[in-house]
Amino acid sequence: AQSVTQPDIHITVSEGASLELRCNYSYGATPYLFWYVQSPGQGLQLLLKYFSGDTLVQGIKGFEAEFKRSQSSFNLRKPSVHWSDAAEYFCAVGLTGNQFYFGTGTSLTVIP
Amino acid sequence: NAGVTQTPKFQVLKTGQSMTLQCAQDMNHEYMSWYRQDPGMGLRLIHYSVGAGITDQGEVPNGYNVSRSTTEDFPLRLLSAAPSQTSVYFCASSHDRGPGGYTFGSGTRLTVV
Repeated sequence: AQSVTQPDIHITVSEGASLELRCNYSYGATPYLFWYVQSPGQGLQLLLKYFSGDTLVQGIKGFEAEFKRSQSSFNLRKPSVHWSDAAEYFCAVGLTGNQFYFGTGTSLTVIP
Repeated sequence: NAGVTQTPKFQVLKTGQSMTLQCAQDMNHEYMSWYRQDPGMGLRLIHYSVGAGITDQGEVPNGYNVSRSTTEDFPLRLLSAAPSQTSVYFCASSHDRGPGGYTFGSGTRLTVV
């Protein structure tokens, strides 16, 4: 079945530490790939996206993600986490026909 | 400010009542969608539209109805509310078919008692 998997439900990191959030997908072709962030009580904000070209993409707020076709993965990274990065993070894939599918999310806690 | 506006932000309904969640965007986006967000389940697509007059079902369309009479507006109707429809609902719009990603509204938190 087609799916988007975020294996980590919750991650806790110390402020200043590096971060990697995992995302795997299972679709026949390479879909469009996205990471969104959701602060409490807010809608989702687009962090970055990939649909072709360089497999390392830069986003807002110092985030980056790397597409690895062989692993069907699109992991999100940040070298140094700030307390304001505490939020819920969603990986999503976009298919033809404007259908987007989201992972179940990873909740990030940042401790001082 | 340009964006996606959802109203109301909060709503409590009794089982069996009907209501319409409003969604409007002022970015001239062709593509609009409704999602529901439930704990541990991410966002699930309810209905979507690729332009005025064109709508289609997503993953979880039962109990919901949509129409798209204008490019700007994409209301979601709950025909007869059920407790299983307690959720946070997000409307989103996009300029292009896929690569651009969505702009999301701030959500409507609906409770059905």
